[in-house]
Amino acid sequence: ETGVTQSPTHLIKTRGQQVTLRCSSQSGHNTVSWYQQALGQGPQFIFQYYREEENGRGNFPPRFSGLQFPNYSSELNVNALELDDSALYLCASSLASRTGGSNEQFFGPGTRLTVL
Amino acid sequence: AQSVTQLGSHVSVSEGALVLLRCNYSSSVPPYLFWYVQYPNQGLQLLLKYTSAATLVKGINGFEAEFKKSETSFHLTKPSAHMSDAAEYFCAVRVITGGGNKLTFGTGTQLKVEL
Repeated sequence: ETGVTQSPTHLIKTRGQQVTLRCSSQSGHNTVSWYQQALGQGPQFIFQYYREEENGRGNFPPRFSGLQFPNYSSELNVNALELDDSALYLCASSLASRTGGSNEQFFGPGTRLTVL
Repeated sequence: AQSVTQLGSHVSVSEGALVLLRCNYSSSVPPYLFWYVQYPNQGLQLLLKYTSAATLVKGINGFEAEFKKSETSFHLTKPSAHMSDAAEYFCAVRVITGGGNKLTFGTGTQLKVEL
């Protein structure tokens, strides 16, 4: 069974640029959640995708957007990067239904984004 | 709104000593609670979860947590600390959002284990 993988592991961008982060779900999972973890903080929920549709969003501006593909892999896109976007971005996959349920989220190793 | 609070951003124990990491929750509905561990430059690994079954939950690596409704607590314990337990620990609560769910995390507790 393949776990959650993320790419790239590290990324350096400059302010105003755009970035795309990628996540491959654990085999059999249909839901992907993205979290932002700033240095010294707990992860903050960005959004979740279930069967290619956004299924919940945290308090992040629209320049944070995402996609989920038919194979349940996912992308996180951030436009107009700001210095405060520097963080570890974590992807988590789970097996869920529309009713929620006890869905354990399995986390990937994260992508460390640095914005200069 | 559902949330968790972790008391103590840093905890230091001696190897072999009891580990106690504190987490209190706020929830208007029966919560699903989780403890995750994060080693440096890595993602989060689930230690254990409470999903309204047994109040004493056993997890991996010898950790356990007890759900106490009267105290709104879900503290993490381990009888004897090992050097390999040094890491950051996060308590989290599952929050239902529309048709899905998310995890709301505490600010984390850095555990240091000394010889």
